[in-house]
Amino acid sequence: AQRVTQPEKLLSVFKGAPVELKCNYSYSGSPELFWYVQYSRQRLQLLLRHISRESIKGFTADLNKGETSFHLKKPFAQEEDSAMYYCALKRCETSYDKVIFGPGTSLSVIP
Amino acid sequence: DAGVIQSPRHEVTEMGQEVTLRCKPISGHNSLFWYRQTMMRGLELLIYFNNNVPIDDSGMPEDRFSAKMPNASFSTLKIQPSEPRDSAVYFCASSRLAGTDTQYFGPGTRLTVL
Repeated sequence: AQRVTQPEKLLSVFKGAPVELKCNYSYSGSPELFWYVQYSRQRLQLLLRHISRESIKGFTADLNKGETSFHLKKPFAQEEDSAMYYCALKRCETSYDKVIFGPGTSLSVIP
Repeated sequence: DAGVIQSPRHEVTEMGQEVTLRCKPISGHNSLFWYRQTMMRGLELLIYFNNNVPIDDSGMPEDRFSAKMPNASFSTLKIQPSEPRDSAVYFCASSRLAGTDTQYFGPGTRLTVL
């Protein structure tokens, strides 16, 4: 079965420091990977998806099929990055495949 | 567009009572998802619909939970009878397609069962 793991429930970094939120998945096929973010008192929203290969709010994520990872990175953390981050996976076998979310990592950026 | 609308935003009830959560997806979206968020288990998909038809309800925890989507603009998640372990934030999300399209989440309903 498909599974998404995020080993860190909590991650604290200082402002200006690099940040990496880890995400690993288990799936033998070709998945689509996403990062969703939930800021305080805001709705859960899509941050980025691997097929877009874009940088959003300074964040990037590269799909590494060899390591089955999709880590989220930002070179210089900002206080406004403090939020809950969910990595998510979708199989691409049928159009009805559901998105599976990881347990989430709460990022706290210390001023 | 107001986005996905959920009601109520907060619900406090006593064990054994019936709870009904409501969701209005974004107009034009064909897929609707119900999630439960807890500290222990994170975000879990309970059930999702495509064109008002339930596609996958394998995440529904037990028979006490049921969900309906009578039309394209309304869905309910019902818990009967409720138990303290059902306390969580319940999110509804919608997307144009169940496939690769972005999911848009509602603000959530925080349920507390005493």
